[in-house]
Amino acid sequence: DIQMTQSPSTLSASVGDRVTITCRASQSINVWLAWYQQKPGKAPKFLIHKASTLEGGVPSRFSGSGSGTEFTLTISSLQPDDFATYYCQHYNSYPWTFGQGTKVEIK
Amino acid sequence: EVQLVESGGGLVQPGGSLRLSCAASGFTFSNYEMNWVRQAPGKGLEWLSYIGLSGSNIYYADSVKGRFTISRDNSKNSLYLEMTSLRAEDTAVYYCARDRGASGYFPNWGQGTLVTVSS
Repeated sequence: DIQMTQSPSTLSASVGDRVTITCRASQSINVWLAWYQQKPGKAPKFLIHKASTLEGGVPSRFSGSGSGTEFTLTISSLQPDDFATYYCQHYNSYPWTFGQGTKVEIK
Repeated sequence: EVQLVESGGGLVQPGGSLRLSCAASGFTFSNYEMNWVRQAPGKGLEWLSYIGLSGSNIYYADSVKGRFTISRDNSKNSLYLEMTSLRAEDTAVYYCARDRGASGYFPNWGQGTLVTVSS
């Protein structure tokens, strides 16, 4: 199985900060990576697929990059609504697996 | 508007069984592959199972293979997860999630249903 490792596990930031979350795969997954945002008590919200393709309706301050085994999710200017937990997920081969999550909290 | 509504969760004893349902609306259910994903309390997301359009293609995570069975009824716009031999570690919120063209990622999720396995 492909293991997905996110860093950091927790990130403290302020409104307006540029934030970067890293996701590493245990083997190459090409660009078959998605990102989700989850707030407490809610279902995950889909943000990005194919490593860098932003889903319709997702603010342009979110961006994704990477290929192979290393990927990043960047929020260019953190907004109050962005404080949440973020997960990466590969879909290169079964079983699809998620990273352990990165919690973005208020500094 | 795409809507996915899970039901069937609850408290069950270890070794017991439970059947979850996911009612779909707002789209042509038979045209979309579907999945189950769960989240243990305070933990991350875990993909469990995938089912293709007609139910002929099915995949499971190792953690549930042989104990859980995914199925669908396109005439009822419904997805199911039959869970047997339940363990304490199966305690989680269970989400149904719509695929996009057998892509493997999940643009649409239900609100989840909580399954608690405890004596």
